[in-house]
Amino acid sequence: QKEVEQNSGPLSVPEGAIASLNCTYSDRGSQSFFWYRQYSGKSPELIMFIYSNGDKEDGRFTAQLNKASQYVSLLIRDSQPSDSATYLCAVRGNNRLAFGKGNQVVVIP
Amino acid sequence: EAEVAQSPRYKITEKSQAVAFWCDPISGHATLYWYRQILGQGPELLVQFQDESVVDDSQLPKDRFSAERLKGVDSTLKIQPAELGDSAMYLCASSFGQAQETQYFGPGTRLLVL
Repeated sequence: QKEVEQNSGPLSVPEGAIASLNCTYSDRGSQSFFWYRQYSGKSPELIMFIYSNGDKEDGRFTAQLNKASQYVSLLIRDSQPSDSATYLCAVRGNNRLAFGKGNQVVVIP
Repeated sequence: EAEVAQSPRYKITEKSQAVAFWCDPISGHATLYWYRQILGQGPELLVQFQDESVVDDSQLPKDRFSAERLKGVDSTLKIQPAELGDSAMYLCASSFGQAQETQYFGPGTRLLVL
């Protein structure tokens, strides 16, 4: 079992809709969770981090963490064409950050 | 805004040649990371430095890869000899500390081995 799993394929959403991304992790002792956005050919850039169970909102982005179920999700409200990118889930445990393979989001104008 | 600097941005080399990548972290960031990202995958940690000391190089292929951060500031990652399978994006990141700290990535070096 991979440390961080992002299994869903490319996600196509109409402009203005909500994009929902999910991520599960295997290390129950993990303490901090991050979402990075990566445009094609570019490096990852941090969108949000979350440490505690529940929701954390930042602008159009909401991160949700459920440690009991070992999943973290990202919601993008009012999706814009500029949100078209790959979203990487990253989980820190044992002082190492483990990344999922990412989910591609395509926002259709 | 402070950024992580990397050079070169692109490198094409032939297999069996040596290549080197350079990284300058955000000023004041004690922790520096080198990652490798293969197309379609997430970044994988190669080596982590705390100041000038290596704290994790368990995933670094030490027969051909080496990394140093002699003065605890900038860092160099070397591959010798390069193999076809080394073609990837090499990312450098830095953070203020180790625990719970957000990592900020540089622009990366895209390596193509022919």
